[in-house]
Amino acid sequence: AQSVSQHNHHVILSEAASLELGCNYSYGGTVNLFWYVQYPGQHLQLLLKYFSGDPLVKGIKGFEAEFIKSKFSFNLRKPSVQWSDTAEYFCAVNARSGGFKTIFGAGTRLFVKA
Amino acid sequence: NAGVTQTPKFQVLKTGQSMTLQCAQDMNHNSMYWYRQDPGMGLRLIYYSASEGTTDKGEVPNGYNVSRLNKREFSLRLESAAPSQTSVYFCASSEVDRPRTQYFGPGTRLLVL
Repeated sequence: AQSVSQHNHHVILSEAASLELGCNYSYGGTVNLFWYVQYPGQHLQLLLKYFSGDPLVKGIKGFEAEFIKSKFSFNLRKPSVQWSDTAEYFCAVNARSGGFKTIFGAGTRLFVKA
Repeated sequence: NAGVTQTPKFQVLKTGQSMTLQCAQDMNHNSMYWYRQDPGMGLRLIYYSASEGTTDKGEVPNGYNVSRLNKREFSLRLESAAPSQTSVYFCASSEVDRPRTQYFGPGTRLLVL
């Protein structure tokens, strides 16, 4: 069965610090990978996705993620966080041959101190 | 475009009561989904509808039923609410073609006493 693991449940950073959130998945086949973000009081929205091609994906608001197939990882990065990045971040996977089910990680709550 | 809309935004039920959560999308998507979000557990799929006229169970379907009323609307029904169903419920939609990026509604906060 597919699963998604996010290593950190809570992260606290100061503004301008660099961010890296870990995401690993378990599935042997070809996958589509996503990071969604949920800002306080808002619904989930897509931050970035990997479907094919360049494994370094750039998303909105300066975020990027790198797909490392050999490590089954899709870590999210941002060089310099802002207070407005305070949110919960979810990694998600759907398998190319797995039908319509997208599996979400448990989420990482990021708090950025001003 | 309103995107994905959900009603109600909040609801308090007593154990054993029933209710229906409504969801509609105006993006002409074929596929729709219902998730529940619980602390520390991420989003778990309750039911999905790959296309109009079809519905399938997800990871946690027990205690729920769904209806794909038409291409736009996908409702979730709790026939006899239980405290374990206290959660935040999200509806989402996507195209049927991969990668199936999902677009989420604002959520419904449900408290079952």
